Amino acid sequence: GAVVSQHPSRVICKSGTSVKIECRSLDFQATTMFWYRQFPKQSLMLMATSNEGSKATYEQGVEKDKFLINHASLTLSTLTVTSAHPEDSSFYICSARHSPNEKLFFGSGTQLSVL
Amino acid sequence: QKEVEQDPGPLSVPEGAIVSLNCTYSNSAFQYFMWYRQYSRKGPELLMYTYSSGNKEDGRFTAQVDKSSKYISLFIRDSQPSDSATYLCAMSAGNQFYFGTGTSLTVIP
Repeated sequence: GAVVSQHPSRVICKSGTSVKIECRSLDFQATTMFWYRQFPKQSLMLMATSNEGSKATYEQGVEKDKFLINHASLTLSTLTVTSAHPEDSSFYICSARHSPNEKLFFGSGTQLSVL
Repeated sequence: QKEVEQDPGPLSVPEGAIVSLNCTYSNSAFQYFMWYRQYSRKGPELLMYTYSSGNKEDGRFTAQVDKSSKYISLFIRDSQPSDSATYLCAMSAGNQFYFGTGTSLTVIP
């Protein structure tokens, strides 16, 4: 199947710093990418939908100024957690939609720990 | 009512058993149906993908879709300890994807 690469897999940072997470579709072009947050033993919580070349669409309750999403090319989307705080600690996962077969492929996830 | 309903389990079976996982949904516009396997602290891995009603088989896995009943299933034959994971059903309409809450499966050697 198609490959979606997500980096870093784990990041530990101090409170107040910003962290960038990259999501790349390695062997296909993804016009749409999605960012999720997942708490232990819970399902995926959609944060935002990212379309190449346009502004991301954020889900209700997700602060767009805190979670900056950029989808500058058909193979790369980034999520920047700005001024991270301990409550932002979580597992973040990206996914990319493969057209035209409509399959959705996921990255391996990023565990963010804010001290 | 949630778009997609999935029993969270946990489900525990002996090695070699047949496992049946199920999801129901309410939106008749869903056309694509998927099953994902997720190991702890990893991203979900696409296992099965079907379009509209019918069956699809891939090795020990069989996916079934019954659009008239709004019901999808994943069967795992000859289950192995390595199948122990959380299984997520998913379905899509247009550019939106909807996920079940996931069923936690443990296969006991």
